[in-house]
Amino acid sequence: AQKITQTQPGMFVQEKEAVTLDCTYDTSDQSYGLFWYKQPSSGEMIFLIYQGSYDEQNATEGRYSLNFQKARKSANLVISASQLGDSAMYFCAMREGRRTGGYNKLIFGAGTRLAVHP
Amino acid sequence: IAGITQAPTSQILAAGRRMTLRCTQDMRHNAMYWYRQDLGLGLRLIHYSNTAGTTGKGEVPDGYSVSRANTDDFPLTLASAVPSQTSVYFCASSEEENSYNEQFFGPGTRLTVL
Repeated sequence: AQKITQTQPGMFVQEKEAVTLDCTYDTSDQSYGLFWYKQPSSGEMIFLIYQGSYDEQNATEGRYSLNFQKARKSANLVISASQLGDSAMYFCAMREGRRTGGYNKLIFGAGTRLAVHP
Repeated sequence: IAGITQAPTSQILAAGRRMTLRCTQDMRHNAMYWYRQDLGLGLRLIHYSNTAGTTGKGEVPDGYSVSRANTDDFPLTLASAVPSQTSVYFCASSEEENSYNEQFFGPGTRLTVL
């Protein structure tokens, strides 16, 4: 069964430094998608970045990059030059493959709470 | 309306009462979803719908029902609420055939069952 694991319940980082949030996944599908969402204290879910299982390059979106290591089944989020506004809950998620019959369904990890200190 | 709206924003409900959480999207997305968010568990899928007229069960469907009469609306009903259904509920939608299927989320409904 598909599963997402985020082993860091909480992380701290100094402003302007880089931070890596860990995510490992388990799936038997060859085709899948990996997502990161940010949830600030206001509660909304904000899409950050996507990585497809067949993408050869690591995804990047501004200060966010995804360190995709397919053989290790990891999809870590790297935030460069942290800002105070990056303090939030971060969720890693995986889209199930077509073969399982639920192509669009996302499976979420438990989340990592990031605190950025000045 | 822009994106996804949910109503109510929050609700306190007595156990045993029936409750419908409303969700409306204006993006003409085919697929819609209901998740519940609980501390330490992330978001778990309750029900989903790939297109109007069809629905499916997610990871935690018991005690909940949904309908999809049209593209825009996807209400979630608790037939007889129990305290374990206290949670934050998120509705989401996505383009079914989009190559990367980003899901757009509503603002959430905070439900407390006493």
